[in-house]
Amino acid sequence: DGGITQSPKYLFRKEGQNVTLSCEQNLNHDAMYWYRQDPGQGLRLIYYSQIVNDFQKGDIAEGYSVSREKKESFPLTVTSAQKNPTAFYLCASSIPQNWAYGYTFGSGTRLTVV
Amino acid sequence: SQQGEEDPQALSIQEGENATMNCSYKTSINNLQWYRQNSGRGLVHLILIRSNEREKHSGRLRVTLDTSKKSSSLLITASRAADTASYFCATDPKGGSEKLVFGKGTKLTVNP
Repeated sequence: DGGITQSPKYLFRKEGQNVTLSCEQNLNHDAMYWYRQDPGQGLRLIYYSQIVNDFQKGDIAEGYSVSREKKESFPLTVTSAQKNPTAFYLCASSIPQNWAYGYTFGSGTRLTVV
Repeated sequence: SQQGEEDPQALSIQEGENATMNCSYKTSINNLQWYRQNSGRGLVHLILIRSNEREKHSGRLRVTLDTSKKSSSLLITASRAADTASYFCATDPKGGSEKLVFGKGTKLTVNP
């Protein structure tokens, strides 16, 4: 079955530590996105990529970094510069200019600072 | 930037009743989409309505779009307990490089 897989489901980060969230899709989608979800604030865009080896900052990119070396993979690193990283992180993918099915989302990673 | 604003923030109804959620947005759009999120899970695409469409149906879902008022509504008819979830509208702004902008969502509870 095609889909988008995020791992791990739960992640705990110590102060000053970098952590990487995985996002893998086998849908052959060109575009991939990372959103952050906080209670009562909906989804906010962190980074997006519409093609391999290219990505753009979203609305809240500070303290985060990404790479897009393969079409299937779009990992997100939460760096120590992100002062309030506790949130639910969602990865999504889509086919540009084809909105028939909208975005396909993964099941999310819940990151907690300990 | 948050474009869509859903109303109400929370809605509680009985099974069998209809649920109506509204979404307002600020800029011109190519299309508007509705998504559903079960607690602690990812979002699932429900329905898309293009800017030149006024109404669209899919099963028990009915979506309307009024571009003059920059608003949309999602109606779920004959609701079921399994419809309990948060519902988000998302807009594809004109000139926005196909990046969806999500609202804050309406939390729907359907009581059995």
